[in-house]
Amino acid sequence: AQKITQTQPGMFVQEKEAVTLDCTYDTSDPSYGLFWYKQPSSGEMIFLIYQGSYDQQNATEGRYSLNFQKARKSANLVISASQLGDSAMYFCAMESNFGNEKLTFGTGTRLTIIP
Amino acid sequence: GAGVSQTPSNKVTEKGKYVELRCDPISGHTALYWYRQSLGQGPEFLIYFQGTGAADDSGLPNDRFFAVRPEGSVSTLKIQRTERGDSAVYLCASSSPGTLSGANVLTFGAGSRLTVL
Repeated sequence: AQKITQTQPGMFVQEKEAVTLDCTYDTSDPSYGLFWYKQPSSGEMIFLIYQGSYDQQNATEGRYSLNFQKARKSANLVISASQLGDSAMYFCAMESNFGNEKLTFGTGTRLTIIP
Repeated sequence: GAGVSQTPSNKVTEKGKYVELRCDPISGHTALYWYRQSLGQGPEFLIYFQGTGAADDSGLPNDRFFAVRPEGSVSTLKIQRTERGDSAVYLCASSSPGTLSGANVLTFGAGSRLTVL
């Protein structure tokens, strides 16, 4: 079974500061993918970034980067130069690569950017 | 369409009634997913379609829940004899394989909020 743990229910960050959202995972599968999604108040889940378990380098996508530490089973999301529009719920999710197409999500972190 | 469309956006019903929730995926996306998101929780997997067939329905909580995708495009999630515990946001997503280095990136709709009184 797969499990995603997000231990920060809420975070407040000053605008323009960097923020790290924590995610740890548990799986027995040797091959898997890790995702981060953003959910603004409109409700739609927006894909941010992906990291494959065998990727040699940490994923980056604009202001988003994924701090992947495989031995520690962590996949923290780093947002640089935060903006007011970053205020939202953030979910970490995992997918096994062995034909299992479903995502397992964490409980999320509510990020609030303070002007 | 440009995105995943879900209707209705809000549905209020009485306990015991039958409900249908519709999902119109991105054109050309062969895979379609239903998730349920309860208040304060992350989405939980319900069912996954590849084409017209349900490839994995292991997340459906019981036999009151059923989903179809008869022509491989639009899908309907059907809930019979609704209970108060069914109240949640039902999210639909679609994907096309191999769009990002082999990652299965899901595009979600805005969801259908179901309230059972």
